[in-house]
Amino acid sequence: QVQLQESGPGLVKPSQTLSLMCTVSGGSISSGDYYWSWIRQPPGKGLEWIGHIDYNGGTSYNPSLKSRLTISVDTSNNHFSLNLNSVTAADMAVYFCARDSLTRDAFDVWGQGTVVTVSS
Amino acid sequence: DIQMTQSPSSLSASVGDRVTITCRASQSINRNLNWYQQKPGKAPKLLIFAAFSLQSGAPSRFSGSGYGTDFTLTISSLQPEDFATYYCQESYSTPRTFGQGTKLDMK
Repeated sequence: QVQLQESGPGLVKPSQTLSLMCTVSGGSISSGDYYWSWIRQPPGKGLEWIGHIDYNGGTSYNPSLKSRLTISVDTSNNHFSLNLNSVTAADMAVYFCARDSLTRDAFDVWGQGTVVTVSS
Repeated sequence: DIQMTQSPSSLSASVGDRVTITCRASQSINRNLNWYQQKPGKAPKLLIFAAFSLQSGAPSRFSGSGYGTDFTLTISSLQPEDFATYYCQESYSTPRTFGQGTKLDMK
């Protein structure tokens, strides 16, 4: 059974870069049947899609974040990563990684989420 | 971007009740609509995909319907473990967008 696990610093200073990794276990990230996605949820608010990547490195980003965002994939180590630069308090959220199934067109597997705080 | 609007934003109900949540898209999305359940401190869980297909492991009391711009999630007989927040999400285009959520709590 595929599992996803986020990792990375829980505290980032304003104007710096937020870097998170999502490790995939129980399955290969190199399957062509999925996009590998990042989604965030500010405290007490709803869900915002950040972007996704496929195993070949093809990406799609939310236009609201595109200028600050890079998503990359490492198929050798079965993980994908998020880098969001120039962070502000508005980027404080729980960050989830998720698998976007191309057959279901839905996020069918999620990581548990990691809390990111932006503070000096 | 496609805007997704859920109603109501909150709902109080009792165990055994039949509950319906609606989701409206700002343009036609065919049947590219998914429903998720989220409990506090947890990741969302997929319940329904492609408007009416039940995700493996989701209880059969959950059902979805709709096409185009208007969709519903129905819980046929509310159970104690169903008190949670529910989100719709369109998969018609990118950026993927979610509804604002419907919080279902105990009356």
